[in-house]
Amino acid sequence: EVQLVESGGGLVQPGGSLRLSCAASGFTFSNYWMTWVRQAPGRGLEWVANMNGDGSVTFYVDSVKGRFTISRDNAKNSLYLQMSSLRAEDTAVYYCTRDTYSYGGRDYWGQGTLVTVSS
Amino acid sequence: SYELTQPPSVSVSPGQTASIPCSGDKLGDKHTCWFQQKPGQSPVLVIYQDNKRPSGIPERFSGSNSGNTVTLTISGTQAMDEADYYCQAWDSGTYVFGTGTKVTVL
Repeated sequence: EVQLVESGGGLVQPGGSLRLSCAASGFTFSNYWMTWVRQAPGRGLEWVANMNGDGSVTFYVDSVKGRFTISRDNAKNSLYLQMSSLRAEDTAVYYCTRDTYSYGGRDYWGQGTLVTVSS
Repeated sequence: SYELTQPPSVSVSPGQTASIPCSGDKLGDKHTCWFQQKPGQSPVLVIYQDNKRPSGIPERFSGSNSGNTVTLTISGTQAMDEADYYCQAWDSGTYVFGTGTKVTVL
């Protein structure tokens, strides 16, 4: 059974840093693009970043470029999102997803981890 | 930046057809997906690559793509289909989600 379990969320002050983790199981992790998607409280979905299977290709939404870094450890079946210079507008539930189908067909999502940026 | 626009809400009677449009510049040239999200739950993929259904998604869900608009159609809508729906487009490696539509089954 495919499972994605996020962790690492919490309360952080503006300007602070946080690292999110996503533990994957039930599939060959290195075969898939993986993506982080976030959702601010009461708002819509926002694509954040993604990475290909061997970690050589990454893309980011403009609003996080230079502040967030996506990475993966295929030996540990884990995806990460290092977030720095956090802002209030980064407050959201962050989901880890598996891109099973080309062009964004992400059919497995974790339960999400809440990041709150507030003083 | 690229934007996808959806109506905030759509209402439909049980058994009727719900059509949810998503519009964006030259959207017909891009690859699109649709996601369903119920309150307190993670999103679920219902359509990928414009008009394909993942395993386990009922046949009543279908997608179409024409010009600047893509449309998710729910035929024979059921009460369980009440949810928020988001379109998503792929463009040169990056993705954009639509603004979301709340479907109410009255």
